[in-house]
Amino acid sequence: SQKIEQNSEALNIQEGKTATLTCNYTNYSPAYLQWYRQDPGRGPVFLLLIRENEKEKRKERLKVTFDTTLKQSLFHITASQPADSATYLCALNTDKLIFGTGTRLQVFP
Amino acid sequence: DAGVIQSPRHEVTEMGQEVTLRCKPISGHDYLFWYRQTMMRGLELLIYFNNNVPIDDSGMPEDRFSAKMPNASFSTLKIQPSEPRDSAVYFCASSPGTRIGGELFFGEGSRLTVL
Repeated sequence: SQKIEQNSEALNIQEGKTATLTCNYTNYSPAYLQWYRQDPGRGPVFLLLIRENEKEKRKERLKVTFDTTLKQSLFHITASQPADSATYLCALNTDKLIFGTGTRLQVFP
Repeated sequence: DAGVIQSPRHEVTEMGQEVTLRCKPISGHDYLFWYRQTMMRGLELLIYFNNNVPIDDSGMPEDRFSAKMPNASFSTLKIQPSEPRDSAVYFCASSPGTRIGGELFFGEGSRLTVL
């Protein structure tokens, strides 16, 4: 069956460190993958999109990698700040956009 | 631009009642999506429209759910009759893409509680 897996356990890291979140998928062949941020009580907000022929994409302190062989995407936040605390969702595009359940990131001072 | 606007933000109703959720997409966006979010199942796609036409409603849980998009600036999701298991946050999103898969712009959601 098709599945998108994100670590359901919260990731707790110290301010200034690099946070790395994982998105694994099975039985999909997405043309591209997106990452969203969701704050409590708010809708998801788009962060980055990476295409299947791209290995890496960067935006300010964010970096996303996409390995279609491993069927995995990694999402990195460098020099993390308490304001980065949120839930991060990956989403795969097949014929529609399918979301993972998200990983909650907590950055403490 | 005001973004995607959803109403109501919160709805509490009793089992068996009809619920109507409303969405105004961003002007000029060709795609509109309805998602449902729960702790257990995450964000689930219910239905999406392209140029006001329903394209894929395979995510609609059952016949109690229906969605319409009478024009480019308005869509509704209706649940009749509602049940406690329908309690969730319902999100509307729109996309400017000329084909499916572009960045989605989400509204703030409608939190539904069915007692």
